[in-house]
Amino acid sequence: GAGVSQSPSNKVTEKGKDVELRCDPISGHTALYWYRQSLGQGLEFLIYFQGNSAPDKSGLPSDRFSAERTGGSVSTLTIQRTQQEDSAVYLCASRNVPYGYTFGSGTRLTVV
Amino acid sequence: QKEVEQNSGPLSVPEGAIASLNCTYSDRGSQSFFWYRQYSGKSPELIMSIYSNGDKEDGRFTAQLNKASQYVSLLIRDSQPSDSATYLCAVPRSNTGNQFYFGTGTSLTVIP
Repeated sequence: GAGVSQSPSNKVTEKGKDVELRCDPISGHTALYWYRQSLGQGLEFLIYFQGNSAPDKSGLPSDRFSAERTGGSVSTLTIQRTQQEDSAVYLCASRNVPYGYTFGSGTRLTVV
Repeated sequence: QKEVEQNSGPLSVPEGAIASLNCTYSDRGSQSFFWYRQYSGKSPELIMSIYSNGDKEDGRFTAQLNKASQYVSLLIRDSQPSDSATYLCAVPRSNTGNQFYFGTGTSLTVIP
């Protein structure tokens, strides 16, 4: 596609439920990133995929968070047993080196 | 010291003035630098990239880079109310190249 596509755009879930967030990067971009941004805060790195290499998971805040990227394209970020502090905007970005990241429009997650 | 530092602002300038946004970085090996604009409630949008020392101009925007001083800036000439946003500085990590450090952003308000 022309841009990075994320779905859903908004998600409200009950505390303790699992959620899946989807990212469809720009075709041909080998690098894919997940960030989250809480209200009024900066970007918090979560995880990075590059081609077929093992992902860099160093930013995942707990073992409730996991992500996969299938076929080098679509990625899914899963949050298990959601907590209220997980409420944030989850941003996906892809990149074709040496150019900058292109961000998707994000998924706004609200845990109630 | 943070990897990328920006004044959080808020920075207010009158319409038509020059807005100057500054960023310092700690990784001396970084080779490329990016500026993103983020409107409230939206995802970051890439507006400028710079790879060499000196100035790079694109319309009303000028990026300035001084690698010796580890300093990159963004000038916005003839500021417009539509320029009111948060501006993020991004610097790739020299050891991986693919992953960015992001500043926390400078909030700019252009007053009509």
